[in-house]
Amino acid sequence: SQTIHQWPATLVQPVGSPLSLECTVEGTSNPNLYWYRQAAGRGLQLLFYSVGIGQISSEVPQNLSASRPQDRQFILSSKKLLLSDSGFYLCAWSPGQGNTIYFGEGSWLTVV
Amino acid sequence: AQSVAQPEDQVNVAEGNPLTVKCTYSVSGNPYLFWYVQYPNRGLQFLLKYITGDNLVKGSYGFEAEFNKSQTSFHLKKPSALVSDSALYFCAVSANTGGFKTIFGAGTRLFVKA
Repeated sequence: SQTIHQWPATLVQPVGSPLSLECTVEGTSNPNLYWYRQAAGRGLQLLFYSVGIGQISSEVPQNLSASRPQDRQFILSSKKLLLSDSGFYLCAWSPGQGNTIYFGEGSWLTVV
Repeated sequence: AQSVAQPEDQVNVAEGNPLTVKCTYSVSGNPYLFWYVQYPNRGLQFLLKYITGDNLVKGSYGFEAEFNKSQTSFHLKKPSALVSDSALYFCAVSANTGGFKTIFGAGTRLFVKA
């Protein structure tokens, strides 16, 4: 069966510090991968999605970036965090577009 | 453009009573419709989906949803609510005319009172 792991689960970082959140999927190949941000326990904002290695689409301009160095690995990064980057970040995967999206357990980022 | 609306921020129901969480959508092609549930500090969990076929879809934890094409709705239902059903529920839609991009609703918080 397929599983998705993301880490770290919680992170407290000072303003201006770098960020790296990592996500891996097991049990499938060539998945679509996604990074979402959820603020205040409500709606989801799609940040990035990828349909293949090295193929990243950005939905919202910001100081975050994403990379997909391997087929089942998706990394969310920032060179300098802002206070507004605080939130709950969710990695997800799907077998293809239009299919069910499966989410990781999320990473809480607090920028102080 | 695709869109999905969850008109209620919050739904309150007594344990044992039926519950309904509403969802309406707008797409130009045939919709693919999904419901997800999120418990506090957790990721979203898939509940059920409608792609084609029977308008009544059954999913996890006793939930079901009815696809209504004329009303462009996909309401989530459960005959008898449990306190443990209290969570945040998201409706989502995608369609081939939108490049199969999935759009999520804003979420509805369900409170089930004992």
